[in-house]
Amino acid sequence: DARVTQTPRHKVTEMGQEVTMRCQPILGHNTVFWYRQTMMQGLELLAYFRNRAPLDDSGMPKDRFSAEMPDATLATLKIQPSEPRDSAVYFCASGSTADRGLHEQYFGPGTRLTVT
Amino acid sequence: AQSVAQPEDQVNVAEGNPLTVKCTYSVSGNPYLFWYVQYPNRGLQFLLKYITGDNLVKGSYGFEAEFNKSQTSFHLKKPSALVSDSALYFCAVRDPFMDSSYKLIFGSGTRLLVRP
Repeated sequence: DARVTQTPRHKVTEMGQEVTMRCQPILGHNTVFWYRQTMMQGLELLAYFRNRAPLDDSGMPKDRFSAEMPDATLATLKIQPSEPRDSAVYFCASGSTADRGLHEQYFGPGTRLTVT
Repeated sequence: AQSVAQPEDQVNVAEGNPLTVKCTYSVSGNPYLFWYVQYPNRGLQFLLKYITGDNLVKGSYGFEAEFNKSQTSFHLKKPSALVSDSALYFCAVRDPFMDSSYKLIFGSGTRLLVRP
């Protein structure tokens, strides 16, 4: 049963520290999305990759957030320096454009980040 | 611009009764429409989609949704609710003719509470 995996599942850190979240998309999927979920803002798209190339990161604060795909099996989202307002659940999702035009996104379990 | 609205923050229904979770959308062309469900402390799971064809689409766990182009709606329905259906439900839209990026626009979510 193929799944998107995310690590860590929970992260508590102090303001100013660097945070790195990792995502392993489903093998063979060529698109990766990073979302952030908060009570106030709901589900927000932060960044989107296709074939490892970043296509859209307009939802991401550029000064402190960065997203990369060093290879097809790993996507990373970094926050440096972290701030309390970054506290949220961060989801990674993957999909395949070969799947009749990517009709479904498969979500990971999320990383719950708390910045104190 | 694409948008999706879920007018109800919460829907309450008794077990065994029919349920409806509402969704309306705004796109300039023909939409692709989706429903996702999120159980506590989990990522989103795909429920069903409308791409083309029959306006009534059936999905997982006995859910179905009806695409109504004149009312720009895609309401989620189930004939008989279960307590285990209690979760957060998201409607999402994509306009494939205006946006080739495969991004989904998510609604704010509706919490479904099924009481025994």
